[in-house]
Amino acid sequence: QQQVKQSPQSLIVQKGGISIINCAYENTAFDYFPWYQQFPGKGPALLIAIRPDVSEKKEGRFTISFNKSAKQFSLHIMDSQPGDSATYFCAASKYDNDMRFGAGTRLTVKP
Amino acid sequence: KAGVTQTPRYLIKTRGQQVTLSCSPISGHRSVSWYQQTPGQGLQFLFEYFSETQRNKGNFPGRFSGRQFSNSRSEMNVSTLELGDSALYLCASSLGSYNEQFFGPGTRLTVL
Repeated sequence: QQQVKQSPQSLIVQKGGISIINCAYENTAFDYFPWYQQFPGKGPALLIAIRPDVSEKKEGRFTISFNKSAKQFSLHIMDSQPGDSATYFCAASKYDNDMRFGAGTRLTVKP
Repeated sequence: KAGVTQTPRYLIKTRGQQVTLSCSPISGHRSVSWYQQTPGQGLQFLFEYFSETQRNKGNFPGRFSGRQFSNSRSEMNVSTLELGDSALYLCASSLGSYNEQFFGPGTRLTVL
């Protein structure tokens, strides 16, 4: 039931660098695309989300780029910090909160 | 404002038993979704309840069931436990559609 493909599986970035995580979805009925951040022992927490009527959304150091025709979206983390080290999940959802997650990307930011 | 709470946090069961997990959503939230998280399969959608009605269900066998009460609290039940049911079960609540889902800390279920 993997309807959202996420890459890379793991990512190592130097402090101050840009982290980029990509996702692709299949179901065109999806119309809500959030990114979640999860630390060990915790539940996922919403980082940023986008609707398909917008091609880009920025919140602080975090930016979502969305390409509706390609059915792809990505997360960019600017000026990556060691505290950003976590697992990141992209997701896609319909109105009924049936949310499908990507497999996750383990991000490590080296000091 | 209290967050989403899940009880119990940890549970050990044996094959064939059944288990009930509980989720208390954030006050005012009417939607509760359940997810299974495993290292191999990642986060998988189980089902979602809104105002006591199941709106959608993921691709899980009928051994997995749930319900929501009038106060929005939700329970999920797994019958005839299998070793493969060992996972972190997460619930998430939201006001409704297209609203942020707030996740609880999860219940870690181990099936021996």
